[in-house]
Amino acid sequence: QVQLVDSGGGVVQPGRSLRLSCAASGFIFSNYGMHWLRQAPGKGLEWVAVISDDGGNKYYADSVKGRFTISRDNSKNTLYLQMNSLRPEDTAVYYCAKSDSSTWYYFDYWGQGTLVTVSS
Amino acid sequence: EIVMTQSPATLSVSPGERATLSCRASQSVSSDLAWYQQKPGQAPRLLIYGASTRATGIPARFSGSGSGTEFTLTITSLQSEDFAVYYCQQYNIWPRTFGQGTKVEIK
Repeated sequence: QVQLVDSGGGVVQPGRSLRLSCAASGFIFSNYGMHWLRQAPGKGLEWVAVISDDGGNKYYADSVKGRFTISRDNSKNTLYLQMNSLRPEDTAVYYCAKSDSSTWYYFDYWGQGTLVTVSS
Repeated sequence: EIVMTQSPATLSVSPGERATLSCRASQSVSSDLAWYQQKPGQAPRLLIYGASTRATGIPARFSGSGSGTEFTLTITSLQSEDFAVYYCQQYNIWPRTFGQGTKVEIK
């Protein structure tokens, strides 16, 4: 069965960096686009970034463009999110999610999430 | 960016009754709409895509309808495990956007 395990969250000061990971199993990882989404405490869902199956194409939400970098290692079945210049408003639970297909329309499986808290 | 608006914010329903949730898009998204269920402390779960197609393993009591700008998620005969927050999401254009959620609570 599809399994996505998010890790790497924690408490970080504003302006610092953090890298999140998502370990995938139960499907052919290299065949699917992958996303990061986030949910601020008590709030709704926000899409953050997507990466194509081969890593050649990446797109970002305006709120993180230039600060966050999505990447993947298909040999390790792992997705990453490098977060730089973190701001208090980046505080959220971050989820990795699998694309439905090569079209990147919706998110058919999600990780359990990892909490990132940006605070001094 | 397409703004998705869900109503009501909270819906109080008795077990066994029907729940009807609404989602409106600020411009047409055709049938490019998905619904998710989220329980406290858990990740969202895909329920519906293509406005009306149930995802794998989703019970038949969940149904979706609509197109363009108006969509509905209907849950017939609510079970205890259905009390949760429900989100709609459009995938017609980038960025993908979500509604703010409807909480279905026990009456």
